[in-house]
Amino acid sequence: NAGVMQNPRHLVRRRGQEARLRCSPMKGHSHVYWYRQLPEEGLKFMVYLQKENIIDESGMPKERFSAEFPKEGPSILRIQQVVRGDSAAYFCASSPNGQGKDTQYFGPGTRLTVL
Amino acid sequence: GENVEQHPSTLSVQEGDSAVIKCTYSDSASNYFPWYKQELGKGPQLIIDIRSNVGEKKDQRIAVTLNKTAKHFSLHITETQPEDSAVYFCAASEEGLIFGTGTLLAVQP
Repeated sequence: NAGVMQNPRHLVRRRGQEARLRCSPMKGHSHVYWYRQLPEEGLKFMVYLQKENIIDESGMPKERFSAEFPKEGPSILRIQQVVRGDSAAYFCASSPNGQGKDTQYFGPGTRLTVL
Repeated sequence: GENVEQHPSTLSVQEGDSAVIKCTYSDSASNYFPWYKQELGKGPQLIIDIRSNVGEKKDQRIAVTLNKTAKHFSLHITETQPEDSAVYFCAASEEGLIFGTGTLLAVQP
């Protein structure tokens, strides 16, 4: 059973470009969570999605950031018009049942560098 | 919302000694508390978790205790080994996990 997969593992963008980060949950998991980790800091919750639904986006910046988890395919975290402050590691986690009480399994992360 | 505090931020122990990391949380409704280990350049790996209907849980050299009244929980690692060196995060559950700020554990051989 493959774990949570994220790609790309490293992404370099220039200011103003778009970044697309992909997450494929573990087999059988229909709940996906995105977290951001700034250098030398802990993980901050961004958004929680089920298939085709955003359940909680309370940690998502109001502008430039969006997330989706379509019926088919991976979950996508999209950052438009990136700025240097967006440089961070972005982690995706998945769980089978959600509701905040389920074990979350993390992927290896995407390290975004904005030049 | 939930707020999780974690101490200490760094911890250095000799191989074979025990290590203890402590966390407090603010939301009495939280009832799931996982601990993650993160090695450099990797994603967090779940090492142990505890739910609020249990006061203590043990898995080989790792144990977690939970005091719901005081709203704090702790990670105990016994007989530490150099490969235990990593950053450890506690968390409490809302829809997404609310993480503590991490503890850098260094086990000196």
